[in-house]
Amino acid sequence: ELKVEQNPLFLSMQEGKNYTIYCNYSTTSDRLYWYRQDPGKSLESLFVLLSNGAVKQEGRLMASLDTKARLSTLHITAAVHDLSATYFCAVDIMNRDDKIIFGKGTRLHILP
Amino acid sequence: DGGITQSPKYLFRKEGQNVTLSCEQNLNHDAMYWYRQDPGQGLRLIYYSQIVNDFQKGDIAEGYSVSREKKESFPLTVTSAQKNPTAFYLCASSGRPGAVAGELFFGEGSRLTVL
Repeated sequence: ELKVEQNPLFLSMQEGKNYTIYCNYSTTSDRLYWYRQDPGKSLESLFVLLSNGAVKQEGRLMASLDTKARLSTLHITAAVHDLSATYFCAVDIMNRDDKIIFGKGTRLHILP
Repeated sequence: DGGITQSPKYLFRKEGQNVTLSCEQNLNHDAMYWYRQDPGQGLRLIYYSQIVNDFQKGDIAEGYSVSREKKESFPLTVTSAQKNPTAFYLCASSGRPGAVAGELFFGEGSRLTVL
């Protein structure tokens, strides 16, 4: 059974600091996605990572994928309050059923 | 504009009643998904469908049923057999199965409360 584990699950940090969220998964896949969710809202797509070594950047967020280690990271550079949200990684099981499984999410709180 | 529409946004139900949540998409996506989210929790997969007239159980399918009679529509019925139905339900769709980018597009969600 595929397991997707994120850590930390909760992160409180000061504006201007850097930090990394980790996403480990337990089965072979080279398709991983990061989403953002604001309180009471739905999810919006941030990054799609489709191969080993893939790196994507948008503003202060950068995501990477290491399929050999079954690890993805979401790095936050010089955090600002607007980045406060819950961040989810999701992994696509590459078989006929094409199931997409989510981690529990990392709740990020950035203090001014 | 293309997107996914879920309705109703809020729903109250008495115990023992079945309710059906609607999900419609005009993105021409083949695959559709239903997830459940509980407060402070991640998303858990209820059912998913790759093509019309075919669907598979996810990790928590007990007490739920779905149908996929049309490509655009994937309604979810929460039956009285579901012991803890109060939750936020999210419908999503993605492009062609097995396509390079299986990025999910989500609806706004339906919040179900059982009284």
